[in-house]
Amino acid sequence: AQKITQTQPGMFVQEKEAVTLDCTYDTSDPSYGLFWYKQPSSGEMIFLIYQGSYDQQNATEGRYSLNFQKARKSANLVISASQLGDSAMYFCAMREGPFGNYQLIWGAGTKLIIKP
Amino acid sequence: DVKVTQSSRYLVKRTGEKVFLECVQDMDHENMFWYRQDPGLGLRLIYFSYDVKMKEKGDIPEGYSVSREKKERFSLILESASTNQTSMYLCASSLTGGGYGYTFGSGTRLTVV
Repeated sequence: AQKITQTQPGMFVQEKEAVTLDCTYDTSDPSYGLFWYKQPSSGEMIFLIYQGSYDQQNATEGRYSLNFQKARKSANLVISASQLGDSAMYFCAMREGPFGNYQLIWGAGTKLIIKP
Repeated sequence: DVKVTQSSRYLVKRTGEKVFLECVQDMDHENMFWYRQDPGLGLRLIYFSYDVKMKEKGDIPEGYSVSREKKERFSLILESASTNQTSMYLCASSLTGGGYGYTFGSGTRLTVV
């Protein structure tokens, strides 16, 4: 079974609109962390935002916020006021366990294209 | 500025050649990883290392080996390159702990002809 599911292979969004990228996860471990990364066409993976399973509030980093719904096991990334530079692949990832099982488990990614 | 540096951005090698991909990090991270990324297949873990001289197989280790003689350096070796190893290779490092994500290098696009 997929541990991280990103159901949107691709999305087109008009510039300045808000974007929600979906991510659902599956774990039985009560302690886990969720991450979002951005990969522009240049190839480098850029860390965006982190949410811990025990965090009471949704994480925010500038224009990025994470809509964390624990009961539904979803961790959607919200980008407010999208910009052309937001066009990229976006990956959701999970780390299980409190002390880092070393590996991140990755989703398949969503390709986001911002239209001018 | 903390960094993970991959020695080559683009590389073209011939079938059968031995290929070395180098990765160096300056953040004193214990953990280092090698991934390959192919369209439609996402990120696949080849090998990782959680300490000097330690290595663990990932999901697709066949045809690859690794070396970690120093904490800051993690090398990926293609013993005899084949065309199906044409891919984007990404190196990453991390601290150990639930809240720590990965810091990635800029990637190496390897073409085997």
